[in-house]
Amino acid sequence: EIVLTQSPGTLSLSPGERATLSCRASQSVSSRYLAWYQQKPGQAPRLLIYGASSRATGIPDRFSGSGSGTDFTLTISRLEPEDFAVYYCQQYGSSPGTFGQGTQVEIK
Amino acid sequence: QVQLQESGPGLVKPLQTLSLTCSVSGNSISSDNFYWSWIRQPPGKGLEWIGYIYYSGSTSYNSSLKSRVSISVDTSKNQFSLRLNSVTAADTAVYYCARRGFSNGYFDYWGRGTLVTVSS
Repeated sequence: EIVLTQSPGTLSLSPGERATLSCRASQSVSSRYLAWYQQKPGQAPRLLIYGASSRATGIPDRFSGSGSGTDFTLTISRLEPEDFAVYYCQQYGSSPGTFGQGTQVEIK
Repeated sequence: QVQLQESGPGLVKPLQTLSLTCSVSGNSISSDNFYWSWIRQPPGKGLEWIGYIYYSGSTSYNSSLKSRVSISVDTSKNQFSLRLNSVTAADTAVYYCARRGFSNGYFDYWGRGTLVTVSS
Protein backbone atom coordinates (compact mmCIF):
# COMPACT_ATOMS: atom_id res chain seq x y z
CA GLU A 1 0.00 0.00 0.00
CA ILE A 2 1.33 3.43 -0.96
CA VAL A 3 1.51 5.83 1.99
CA LEU A 4 1.03 9.52 1.23
CA THR A 5 2.56 12.08 3.57
CA GLN A 6 1.34 15.65 3.30
CA SER A 7 3.22 18.67 4.57
CA PRO A 8 2.94 20.94 6.32
CA GLY A 9 0.17 19.82 8.62
CA THR A 10 -1.08 23.37 8.92
CA LEU A 11 -0.35 26.36 6.73
CA SER A 12 -1.14 29.82 8.14
CA LEU A 13 -1.45 32.43 5.43
CA SER A 14 -3.28 35.64 4.61
CA PRO A 15 -5.71 36.20 1.74
CA GLY A 16 -3.83 37.07 -1.42
CA GLU A 17 -0.78 35.01 -0.47
CA ARG A 18 0.50 31.95 -2.33
CA ALA A 19 -0.02 28.50 -0.82
CA THR A 20 2.25 25.56 -1.62
CA LEU A 21 1.16 22.14 -0.35
CA SER A 22 3.27 19.00 -0.63
CA CYS A 23 2.30 15.36 -1.01
CA ARG A 24 5.06 12.75 -0.88
CA ALA A 25 4.46 9.09 -1.72
CA SER A 26 6.25 6.10 -0.17
CA GLN A 27 6.74 4.69 -3.69
CA SER A 28 6.33 5.98 -7.17
CA VAL A 29 2.78 6.83 -8.23
CA SER A 30 2.25 5.34 -11.66
CA SER A 31 1.16 7.51 -14.56
CA ARG A 32 0.82 10.56 -12.34
CA TYR A 33 -2.39 9.10 -10.91
CA LEU A 34 -2.62 11.70 -8.18
CA ALA A 35 -5.65 13.79 -7.21
CA TRP A 36 -6.22 16.70 -4.86
CA TYR A 37 -9.41 17.47 -2.94
CA GLN A 38 -10.63 20.42 -0.89
CA GLN A 39 -12.82 19.86 2.16
CA LYS A 40 -14.61 22.53 4.16
CA PRO A 41 -16.16 21.87 7.59
CA GLY A 42 -19.32 19.80 7.39
CA GLN A 43 -18.93 19.22 3.65
CA ALA A 44 -17.83 16.39 1.45
CA PRO A 45 -14.46 16.60 -0.28
CA ARG A 46 -14.47 18.38 -3.65
CA LEU A 47 -12.26 17.23 -6.49
CA LEU A 48 -9.79 19.94 -7.53
CA ILE A 49 -7.04 18.22 -9.53
CA TYR A 50 -6.65 14.81 -11.19
CA GLY A 51 -3.83 13.29 -13.17
CA ALA A 52 -1.49 15.40 -11.01
CA SER A 53 -2.12 18.58 -13.00
CA SER A 54 -5.55 18.60 -14.67
CA ARG A 55 -8.15 20.87 -13.10
CA ALA A 56 -11.57 19.40 -12.53
CA THR A 57 -14.63 21.04 -14.05
CA GLY A 58 -15.34 24.48 -12.61
CA ILE A 59 -12.12 24.76 -10.61
CA PRO A 60 -10.53 28.25 -10.81
CA ASP A 61 -7.16 28.55 -12.48
CA ARG A 62 -5.55 29.82 -9.28
CA PHE A 63 -5.37 26.11 -8.35
CA SER A 64 -2.59 24.18 -10.05
CA GLY A 65 -1.00 20.80 -9.53
CA SER A 66 2.43 19.52 -10.46
CA GLY A 67 4.84 16.71 -9.82
CA SER A 68 5.55 13.11 -10.69
CA GLY A 69 7.05 9.97 -9.21
CA THR A 70 6.92 10.44 -5.46
CA ASP A 71 6.67 14.22 -5.10
CA PHE A 72 3.59 16.26 -5.89
CA THR A 73 2.54 19.83 -5.20
CA LEU A 74 -0.71 21.75 -5.07
CA THR A 75 -0.32 25.49 -5.51
CA ILE A 76 -2.95 28.13 -4.87
CA SER A 77 -1.57 31.24 -6.53
CA ARG A 78 -3.54 33.84 -4.57
CA LEU A 79 -5.66 32.73 -1.65
CA GLU A 80 -9.27 33.78 -1.68
CA PRO A 81 -11.34 33.74 1.55
CA GLU A 82 -13.20 30.64 0.36
CA ASP A 83 -9.93 28.69 -0.09
CA PHE A 84 -9.29 28.27 3.62
CA ALA A 85 -9.99 24.59 4.11
CA VAL A 86 -8.35 21.18 4.43
CA TYR A 87 -6.68 19.70 1.35
CA TYR A 88 -6.12 15.99 0.72
CA CYS A 89 -4.08 14.21 -1.90
CA GLN A 90 -5.06 10.77 -3.16
CA GLN A 91 -3.15 8.27 -5.28
CA TYR A 92 -5.06 5.94 -7.55
CA GLY A 93 -2.21 4.33 -9.42
CA SER A 94 -2.22 1.21 -7.28
CA SER A 95 -4.86 -0.52 -5.24
CA PRO A 96 -6.02 0.38 -2.72
CA GLY A 97 -6.24 4.02 -3.56
CA THR A 98 -4.96 5.88 -0.53
CA PHE A 99 -5.32 9.40 0.84
CA GLY A 100 -2.86 11.64 2.60
CA GLN A 101 -3.63 12.85 6.10
CA GLY A 102 -4.46 16.36 4.94
CA THR A 103 -3.07 19.90 5.12
CA GLN A 104 -5.16 22.58 6.79
CA VAL A 105 -4.85 26.04 5.23
CA GLU A 106 -5.90 28.54 7.87
CA ILE A 107 -6.20 32.29 7.98
CA LYS A 108 -3.20 33.95 9.59
CA GLN B 1 -26.51 16.94 -12.55
CA VAL B 2 -25.18 13.91 -10.72
CA GLN B 3 -26.29 13.66 -7.12
CA LEU B 4 -25.63 11.02 -4.49
CA GLN B 5 -27.46 10.74 -1.18
CA GLU B 6 -26.61 8.46 1.72
CA SER B 7 -29.29 7.10 4.04
CA GLY B 8 -29.42 4.76 7.01
CA PRO B 9 -29.32 4.62 10.80
CA GLY B 10 -27.15 7.16 12.57
CA LEU B 11 -26.60 4.94 15.60
CA VAL B 12 -25.49 1.31 15.61
CA LYS B 13 -24.75 -0.86 18.64
CA PRO B 14 -21.35 -2.51 19.03
CA LEU B 15 -20.99 -5.87 17.26
CA GLN B 16 -24.06 -5.21 15.15
CA THR B 17 -24.18 -4.50 11.41
CA LEU B 18 -23.95 -1.04 9.89
CA SER B 19 -26.14 -0.70 6.80
CA LEU B 20 -26.23 2.31 4.48
CA THR B 21 -27.74 2.99 1.08
CA CYS B 22 -26.66 5.48 -1.54
CA SER B 23 -29.29 6.76 -3.96
CA VAL B 24 -27.96 8.09 -7.25
CA SER B 25 -29.72 10.58 -9.49
CA GLY B 26 -28.65 12.23 -12.70
CA ASN B 27 -26.57 9.19 -13.74
CA SER B 28 -27.57 5.62 -14.40
CA ILE B 29 -25.78 3.30 -12.01
CA SER B 30 -25.78 0.81 -14.89
CA SER B 31 -23.35 2.96 -16.86
CA ASP B 32 -20.25 1.01 -17.79
CA ASN B 33 -18.10 4.08 -17.20
CA PHE B 34 -18.15 4.20 -13.41
CA TYR B 35 -17.53 2.44 -10.16
CA TRP B 36 -19.66 3.30 -7.13
CA SER B 37 -17.71 3.72 -3.94
CA TRP B 38 -17.88 4.07 -0.18
CA ILE B 39 -15.38 6.19 1.74
CA ARG B 40 -15.38 7.04 5.42
CA GLN B 41 -13.88 9.70 7.68
CA PRO B 42 -13.65 9.30 11.46
CA PRO B 43 -14.36 12.55 13.33
CA GLY B 44 -11.44 14.93 12.98
CA LYS B 45 -9.43 12.45 10.91
CA GLY B 46 -8.61 11.68 7.30
CA LEU B 47 -10.32 9.73 4.53
CA GLU B 48 -10.35 5.95 4.14
CA TRP B 49 -11.56 4.14 1.02
CA ILE B 50 -13.84 1.23 1.95
CA GLY B 51 -14.63 -0.32 -1.41
CA TYR B 52 -16.50 -0.02 -4.69
CA ILE B 53 -18.90 -1.89 -6.91
CA TYR B 54 -19.52 -2.04 -10.64
CA TYR B 55 -23.08 -2.29 -11.97
CA SER B 56 -22.43 -5.94 -12.84
CA GLY B 57 -21.86 -6.67 -9.15
CA SER B 58 -18.08 -6.91 -9.32
CA THR B 59 -16.52 -5.51 -6.15
CA SER B 60 -13.21 -4.45 -4.65
CA TYR B 61 -12.62 -3.85 -0.97
CA ASN B 62 -9.94 -2.32 1.23
CA SER B 63 -8.02 -5.27 2.63
CA SER B 64 -8.18 -3.79 6.13
CA LEU B 65 -11.99 -4.15 6.10
CA LYS B 66 -12.47 -7.00 3.64
CA SER B 67 -13.51 -9.59 6.20
CA ARG B 68 -16.36 -7.40 7.49
CA VAL B 69 -17.61 -5.42 4.49
CA SER B 70 -20.05 -6.09 1.69
CA ILE B 71 -21.23 -3.75 -1.06
CA SER B 72 -24.23 -4.55 -3.25
CA VAL B 73 -26.05 -2.82 -6.10
CA ASP B 74 -29.72 -2.53 -7.06
CA THR B 75 -29.84 -1.25 -10.62
CA SER B 76 -33.65 -1.15 -10.63
CA LYS B 77 -33.59 1.46 -7.88
CA ASN B 78 -30.34 3.15 -9.00
CA GLN B 79 -28.90 2.49 -5.56
CA PHE B 80 -25.96 0.73 -3.99
CA SER B 81 -25.49 -0.31 -0.41
CA LEU B 82 -22.86 -0.91 2.26
CA ARG B 83 -22.90 -3.46 5.03
CA LEU B 84 -20.19 -3.52 7.70
CA ASN B 85 -20.37 -6.33 10.25
CA SER B 86 -19.25 -6.55 13.86
CA VAL B 87 -18.79 -2.82 14.29
CA THR B 88 -16.85 -1.20 17.10
CA ALA B 89 -16.33 2.37 18.23
CA ALA B 90 -13.48 2.59 15.72
CA ASP B 91 -16.08 2.40 12.95
CA THR B 92 -17.67 5.66 14.07
CA ALA B 93 -17.29 7.97 11.10
CA VAL B 94 -18.96 10.04 8.43
CA TYR B 95 -19.67 7.66 5.58
CA TYR B 96 -19.64 9.04 2.05
CA CYS B 97 -20.72 7.46 -1.18
CA ALA B 98 -18.93 8.64 -4.29
CA ARG B 99 -18.51 8.02 -8.01
CA ARG B 100 -15.19 7.11 -9.59
CA GLY B 101 -14.37 6.54 -13.21
CA PHE B 102 -13.89 3.05 -14.60
CA SER B 103 -10.54 3.90 -16.13
CA ASN B 104 -9.38 6.26 -13.44
CA GLY B 105 -9.53 6.19 -9.68
CA TYR B 106 -10.41 9.66 -8.57
CA PHE B 107 -13.78 10.54 -7.04
CA ASP B 108 -15.60 13.26 -8.95
CA TYR B 109 -19.01 13.26 -7.27
CA TRP B 110 -19.69 12.74 -3.59
CA GLY B 111 -22.71 12.49 -1.37
CA ARG B 112 -22.99 14.88 1.56
CA GLY B 113 -22.09 12.13 3.98
CA THR B 114 -23.87 10.60 6.95
CA LEU B 115 -22.50 10.27 10.48
CA VAL B 116 -22.74 6.80 11.93
CA THR B 117 -21.98 6.46 15.62
CA VAL B 118 -21.26 3.08 17.17
CA SER B 119 -22.39 3.10 20.77
CA SER B 120 -24.50 1.09 23.15
